[in-house]
Amino acid sequence: EIVLTQSPATLSLSPGERATLSCRASQSISSYLAWYQQKPGQAPRLLIYDASNRANGIPARFSGSGSGTDFTLTISSLEPEDFAVYYCQQRSDWPRTFGQGTKLEIK
Amino acid sequence: EVQLVESGGGLVRPGGSLILSCAASGFTFNSFAMSWVRQAPGKGLDWVSSIMNGGGSTNYADSVKGRFTISRDNSKNTLYLQMNSLRVEDTAIYYCATGGWSGPNEYWGQGTLVTVSS
Repeated sequence: EIVLTQSPATLSLSPGERATLSCRASQSISSYLAWYQQKPGQAPRLLIYDASNRANGIPARFSGSGSGTDFTLTISSLEPEDFAVYYCQQRSDWPRTFGQGTKLEIK
Repeated sequence: EVQLVESGGGLVRPGGSLILSCAASGFTFNSFAMSWVRQAPGKGLDWVSSIMNGGGSTNYADSVKGRFTISRDNSKNTLYLQMNSLRVEDTAIYYCATGGWSGPNEYWGQGTLVTVSS
């Protein structure tokens, strides 16, 4: 099973700051990585697929990069609505696996 | 507008069974793979199962293999999850989502809560 490790577990930043979230895979997954945002009481929302492609309707301040085993989600300038939990997920192999999540909180 | 509406959750005793449904609309259901993903209270996301668009191929997490069965009725635009031999650790919100086979889980329902408790 491919293990995805997200860091940090919690990230405390202020609106307007830049956020950098990391996801590391236990083996190469090419570019088959997605990022999701989840707010309390809501379903996850797809942000980025195949490492660097923004999903429909996702603002340009969200960007993804990486390939192989190391991936990054960057939020260029945080808006109040961006504070949430972020998960990465791989679709390179079965079983599909998620990272444990990074909580982005307001400082 | 894509809509996914799960139903069938509830309270069930350990060892019991439950069938979840996911009614889909707003897209060509028979063109998309579908998935179930769950989330235990206060925990992260946990992939459960996926099925190809035609229903001919399926995959399961080891934790549910042999107990859960994913299926779909393309004539009714509905996805199912038959859950047998339920355990306390199966307690979670169960989400249905599009994709998960050759693409990401793009659209998600709001989830249905399954509680396994004596």
